[in-house]
Amino acid sequence: KAGVTQTPRYLIKTRGQQVTLSCSPISGHRSVSWYQQTPGQGLQFLFEYFSETQRNKGNFPGRFSGRQFSNSRSEMNVSTLELGDSALYLCASSLGAEGETQYFGPGTRLLVL
Amino acid sequence: QKEVEQDPGPLSVPEGAIVSLNCTYSNSAFQYFMWYRQYSRKGPELLMYTYSSGNKEDGRFTAQVDKSSKYISLFIRDSQPSDSATYLCAMIPFSSSASKIIFGSGTRLSIRP
Repeated sequence: KAGVTQTPRYLIKTRGQQVTLSCSPISGHRSVSWYQQTPGQGLQFLFEYFSETQRNKGNFPGRFSGRQFSNSRSEMNVSTLELGDSALYLCASSLGAEGETQYFGPGTRLLVL
Repeated sequence: QKEVEQDPGPLSVPEGAIVSLNCTYSNSAFQYFMWYRQYSRKGPELLMYTYSSGNKEDGRFTAQVDKSSKYISLFIRDSQPSDSATYLCAMIPFSSSASKIIFGSGTRLSIRP
């Protein structure tokens, strides 16, 4: 089974721009979660989508948004980029049931200049 | 106080040594316990998954959960330089999906040849 894939792998943007990241989950997985990982803050939960609906949300500003398509693929959008948004953005998929663990993609490394 | 505490390290041991990595937690509702390994600039990779208390062994890796002490451990036998990575513990509360997962901050492990 193919793993979680994320595109692009690397991005360089400037402050004020917006960015869209894409995630394709493992086949059959209906839940997709997004995380921001930085050296200082560790892994921080952004949001989770399940069957095209946002099921859970972390404590991030409204500049961070996402969506999920009928094939479970998900996109994350960050508008009005700030320097502090530089991070590794990780997508994780799971079946979405109780106790099911998550499988992570390789991440998209975003650098905001 | 964080829900999950993990010593950030770094931890440096010689090749062949037994490594012990630990996490403590405060929420007694945690029921599902995981260890992830993350190499530099890569996404976390699921290593071990344990339900409730007890031990689980997989090759050179043993995961141990002591719910009475709210303490989990990962042991690595015959450590290899390829084991050098950051190890993240993670837990999910009872009756919750993977999106409720809480991660430790990670322990950086270095195996000296």
